[in-house]
Amino acid sequence: GENVEQHPSTLSVQEGDSAVIKCTYSDSASNYFPWYKQELGKRPQLIIDIRSNVGEKKDQRIAVTLNKTAKHFSLHITETQPEDSAVYFCAASRRGGGTSYGKLTFGQGTILTVHP
Amino acid sequence: DTEVTQTPKHLVMGMTNKKSLKCEQHMGHRAMYWYKQKAKKPPELMFVYSYEKLSINESVPSRFSPECPNSSLLNLHLHALQPEDSALYLCASSSGVYNEQFFGPGTRLTVL
Repeated sequence: GENVEQHPSTLSVQEGDSAVIKCTYSDSASNYFPWYKQELGKRPQLIIDIRSNVGEKKDQRIAVTLNKTAKHFSLHITETQPEDSAVYFCAASRRGGGTSYGKLTFGQGTILTVHP
Repeated sequence: DTEVTQTPKHLVMGMTNKKSLKCEQHMGHRAMYWYKQKAKKPPELMFVYSYEKLSINESVPSRFSPECPNSSLLNLHLHALQPEDSALYLCASSSGVYNEQFFGPGTRLTVL
């Protein structure tokens, strides 16, 4: 099955700095890569995703890049703010169908702390 | 309505109790999921329902019993749980095509 490794496990930055979180995956058939942000006591919230036919995607201060050959993808947050502090999870899955329908494999998470 | 809702928010139960968790979505999604999450760990998939049929059971103990009465509702029946089952139980739904999964707020379960 799929295995997703996420690094670093903790990341501490100063407000205004950039933050980068990296994930690698093992299943070359994976083609959908979402990122979730989870604040303390709240639900995981989808913040950005990328599909395997795209190399990069941006949404304001957040960007995700995908290298299919190397099987890794990264989350980039620019101009970090204290409210970006949370646990971030990457995940990978294949387009639905059969027994793999909608099965996300998550990384272990990164605790991001943004200091004012 | 673009939300997944879950009830109750918190649940405390003894090891001999029977209780149920409920999840509802009105986004027309045809896939619904149950996850278990321990503190600072990723969600662990328990069950997947696709078009109201159980499509994935991740070898979950039989003391957890899922039910999908219709395309908008998903229940998780609990019986004879153990203290190690204490966790945040998350429901999610997905349109399925590109697997964007949207999570509910979760039920914080404590087993005494």
